[in-house]
Amino acid sequence: GENVEQHPSTLSVQEGDSAVIKCTYSDSASNYFPWYKQELGKRPQLIIDIRSNVGEKKDQRIAVTLNKTAKHFSLHITETQPEDSAVYFCAAGNNDMRFGAGTRLTVKP
Amino acid sequence: KAGVTQTPRYLIKTRGQQVTLSCSPISGHRSVSWYQQTPGQGLQFLFEYFSETQRNKGNFPGRFSGRQFSNSRSEMNVSTLELGDSALYLCASSTGRNQETQYFGPGTRLLVL
Repeated sequence: GENVEQHPSTLSVQEGDSAVIKCTYSDSASNYFPWYKQELGKRPQLIIDIRSNVGEKKDQRIAVTLNKTAKHFSLHITETQPEDSAVYFCAAGNNDMRFGAGTRLTVKP
Repeated sequence: KAGVTQTPRYLIKTRGQQVTLSCSPISGHRSVSWYQQTPGQGLQFLFEYFSETQRNKGNFPGRFSGRQFSNSRSEMNVSTLELGDSALYLCASSTGRNQETQYFGPGTRLLVL
């Protein structure tokens, strides 16, 4: 089955800097790669996703890139703000999603 | 549309007992997936139900089981509870078609004493 690895497990940046989180997956049949943000005590919320027919997708300060050949995808957050502080999860699959272990992002004012 | 709901929100049980958790998906969604979330372990996939059938299964022991009803509501059951079963149990619903977004419920926090 699918196995997703996520790095780093923790990330601390200064406000205004960029943050990058990377994930690798094992199943070449996976075609859907969402990213979720989970704030303390809340449910995971989708922030961006990408499908296998696209190499890059951007939504304001957030972008995701996908390299299907290498089986890795990355989340890029630019101009980070304190409210970006949360745990971020990547996932891979089709209708059965497997999640990475999460990255705790801290943005220092 | 109303979001995904889960009941109960909090639960305290003792070792050896069993527990049943419920998840009501977004109206029109036919797929419900269940996840176990523990600190440092991320979201571990338990199983996915689609149109009342278990379509996908993770690597959890047989003590963890589930079912889905004709209205797409799903229940998850854990028998013979162990201390290590203490976790946040999240369900997520989607249309069930490939590559469709999953929407999470608020979770049920289970504490096993």
